[in-house]
Amino acid sequence: DAGVTQSPTHLIKTRGQHVTLRCSPISGHKSVSWYQQVLGQGPQFIFQYYEKEERGRGNFPDRFSARQFPNYSSELNVNALLLGDSALYLCASSPQGLVSTDTQYFGPGTRLTVL
Amino acid sequence: GQSLEQPSEVTAVEGAIVQINCTYQTSGFYGLSWYQQHDGGAPTFLSYNALDGLEETGRFSSFLSRSDSYGYLLLQELQMKDSASYFCAVVDSNYQLIWGAGTKLIIKP
Repeated sequence: DAGVTQSPTHLIKTRGQHVTLRCSPISGHKSVSWYQQVLGQGPQFIFQYYEKEERGRGNFPDRFSARQFPNYSSELNVNALLLGDSALYLCASSPQGLVSTDTQYFGPGTRLTVL
Repeated sequence: GQSLEQPSEVTAVEGAIVQINCTYQTSGFYGLSWYQQHDGGAPTFLSYNALDGLEETGRFSSFLSRSDSYGYLLLQELQMKDSASYFCAVVDSNYQLIWGAGTKLIIKP
């Protein structure tokens, strides 16, 4: 079975631009979570979606938004990019999105560089 | 605020045993997870403790003491491929994973 896939793998943008990152969960998984990982730090939770509904949101500005599609794939959108948005963006899928009991499976990430 | 403390770096010798500690202060607690991340790679799940005590999975074991807000990951019979960063993460009252900054494990032959 294919694991979690993310696209693109690398992306270079300039300040003020907009970016869309994509994630396909493991087949059968209904929940997708997004994390931002700055170099040298642990991942920070951005969003969780389950059955196309937002289940959780981390402490990120409104420039960050996401959605989940009927096939359970997901997009993360970031508007008005700042230099500080440069990071590895990780997507994780799980069967039911119950963080307390479900194992999360991570994709390889999208490396975003903002110049 | 919420915080997880773990050492930034640990060095050990191949074949030895190493323990990576994690203390936490979070709003609510449902469990403590451990993840491994190789340079340039994605985090991979290692273990999850919801109750006090020791959980063993092959060469890796994880311990939790809820009363002390403390846990550790124990790696035995270290292999060079175990060189990676190890993260503890707490499931808080909002069912979100709050991560520590990670411990870089350096293994010497």
